[in-house]
Amino acid sequence: VQLVESGGGLVQPGKSLKVSCSASGFTFSSYGMHWIRQAPGKGLDWVAYISSSSGTVYADAVKGRFTISRDNGKNTLYLQLNSLKSEDTAIYYCASDYGGPDYWGQGVMVTVSS
Amino acid sequence: DIQVTQSPSSLLASLGERVTITCQTSQSITNNLNWYQQKPGQAPMLLIYYATSLQTGMPSRFSGQYSGRSFTLTITSLEPEDIANYFCLQHYSAFTFGSGTKLEIK
Repeated sequence: VQLVESGGGLVQPGKSLKVSCSASGFTFSSYGMHWIRQAPGKGLDWVAYISSSSGTVYADAVKGRFTISRDNGKNTLYLQLNSLKSEDTAIYYCASDYGGPDYWGQGVMVTVSS
Repeated sequence: DIQVTQSPSSLLASLGERVTITCQTSQSITNNLNWYQQKPGQAPMLLIYYATSLQTGMPSRFSGQYSGRSFTLTITSLEPEDIANYFCLQHYSAFTFGSGTKLEIK
């Protein structure tokens, strides 16, 4: 299993960003997927989940601002981040699901600052 | 929402010592709890799933138990490579992480 995130960077408050997670080594379309974040020096914060049939669940802190999606033809998971706030600054990890997150990518840094 | 209370937040232990970390949930989640290990500068790794099952490739000195709403992660004999942050996660209803335990060598 390999999960590789991309698309992070520095973005101004109120702006948008889309991060991606490229998956390989397993049948991507058969598994749910997660986004989980970790602010600098802090703990883990679950963000969003998408099932194999594209049903979605979001943390209250991002509901209405973030959108998780997947493209099974490209074996890729996405997270669209809108109306970004400084408190969204974090490393964003994607993870596959098997009774909760099991395999994790190395993460991508998103910094929200003016 | 299900709350997860993890303790202690930090732990100093000696090599060879038995170490225990606890998570308490605000309501019953049966066995729907995982433990993760995160070494400095690395992504988290799954350590224990469904409260008691050791992930493939993880050392057998790690074990998980639960009783009701209380879950424990035990390291039977602390090794230098066990220095890490440990997190629990409930996956019974949505997903909630505990606040983490920083394990250091005394």
